[in-house]
Amino acid sequence: AQSVSQHNHHVILSEAASLELGCNYSYGGTVNLFWYVQYPGQHLQLLLKYFSGDPLVKGIKGFEAEFIKSKFSFNLRKPSVQWSDTAEYFCAVIPPRRQNFVFGPGTRLSVLP
Amino acid sequence: DAGVIQSPRHEVTEMGQEVTLRCKPISGHDYLFWYRQTMMRGLELLIYFNNNVPIDDSGMPEDRFSAKMPNASFSTLKIQPSEPRDSAVYFCASTSLGGTSGSIGELFFGEGSRLTVL
Repeated sequence: AQSVSQHNHHVILSEAASLELGCNYSYGGTVNLFWYVQYPGQHLQLLLKYFSGDPLVKGIKGFEAEFIKSKFSFNLRKPSVQWSDTAEYFCAVIPPRRQNFVFGPGTRLSVLP
Repeated sequence: DAGVIQSPRHEVTEMGQEVTLRCKPISGHDYLFWYRQTMMRGLELLIYFNNNVPIDDSGMPEDRFSAKMPNASFSTLKIQPSEPRDSAVYFCASTSLGGTSGSIGELFFGEGSRLTVL
């Protein structure tokens, strides 16, 4: 079945460590890609999005993501994480010719102070 | 704009009772989505509307669940009768066209309604 997968269920890092969260999707054609963040007890908020153009996308709070079409990937990165980045991160895709969002299962990030 | 508004924020009810969750999307958005989030199953799409018309309800778990959107500014998700396994956080989200090739753009979420069925 076509889907969105995220490589890690739970990632634990120390402050100042670098972060990379993997996201892969299985849809061919033109897709729109998103990363959302959910802080504990809160709703999902947009971190960044890719529709077209430069495959390296910069978002809020120092996050960035790179779209690699040949790998069907949209990995999220941050050079130096902070304790406040502790949250759950969701990759999402709008499949081609569709008008709905397909979310990945989420990756929980725990940053140790 | 006030964002997507959901009510109630918390609901505790007993098995068998009817539950109604409400959502007011962002003004001007013509797509509305209902999601359910649990630890076990993550974020699941239940149903979505375009211009108040249900487009895909394949995620609605069973006949106990129903959703309506009588106008552009209001939607309800009803569970009747409720069961303990329905306990979850229910999110409403809205958006409009804004992506590439006429696709929808960023999804804006409400704060969620946390439902506990005893």
